[in-house]
Amino acid sequence: GESVGLHLPTLSVQEGDNSIINCAYSNSASDYFIWYKQESGKGPQFIIDIRSNMDKRQGQRVTVLLNKTVKHLSLQIAATQPGDSAVYFCAETGNTPLVFGKGTRLSVIA
Amino acid sequence: DTGVSQNPRHKITKRGQNVTFRCDPISEHNRLYWYRQTLGQGPEFLTYFQNEAQLEKSRLLSDRFSAERPKGSFSTLEIQRTEQGDSAMYLCASSGYKFSSGNTIYFGEGSWLTVV
Repeated sequence: GESVGLHLPTLSVQEGDNSIINCAYSNSASDYFIWYKQESGKGPQFIIDIRSNMDKRQGQRVTVLLNKTVKHLSLQIAATQPGDSAVYFCAETGNTPLVFGKGTRLSVIA
Repeated sequence: DTGVSQNPRHKITKRGQNVTFRCDPISEHNRLYWYRQTLGQGPEFLTYFQNEAQLEKSRLLSDRFSAERPKGSFSTLEIQRTEQGDSAMYLCASSGYKFSSGNTIYFGEGSWLTVV
């Protein structure tokens, strides 16, 4: 993943709006990608995953898009709720252990 | 199945002391991982086991750190002669037998270490 700084990118959205969180991954050999949600003081919580033979996968209120050409991953959250406020990390793996990208802090404005 | 379990959840120790963290993975998961996370950063890989074999160690894992998984079930991470720079959250995760192929990696709630 990208090098991580002390200040996370922040996305603020109005409750009920859709959120889009982006991630650039680094290893073209990665073939499995996971999005995690991490609330303050807790461990990363699995949200959704996608394999490299897919370009889109949908879950409940969440969609992950994968663009291998530009090594880009996105997480879309529909009808964002206050409970979605957290830090979101993308992670990649292939023939190496899971590598985390730079997190994004999502703040939902009620 | 209650997920990945870690304890203690919080540990405050004096510099120079040894600490040990325990991780109980999801049952039947044969891969177990240790990560470290500091404030404002993503988790960083430390080491992983497949069953009882430790297959890879990050260069972040100095010789003061040792991890074991003696029976291929729970694992311990010991830090000897702790330093203030060791203060972090230590995360354990587990998965099935391959990195990819859709073997989802689940994390525990972490063990917070504060070295004073």
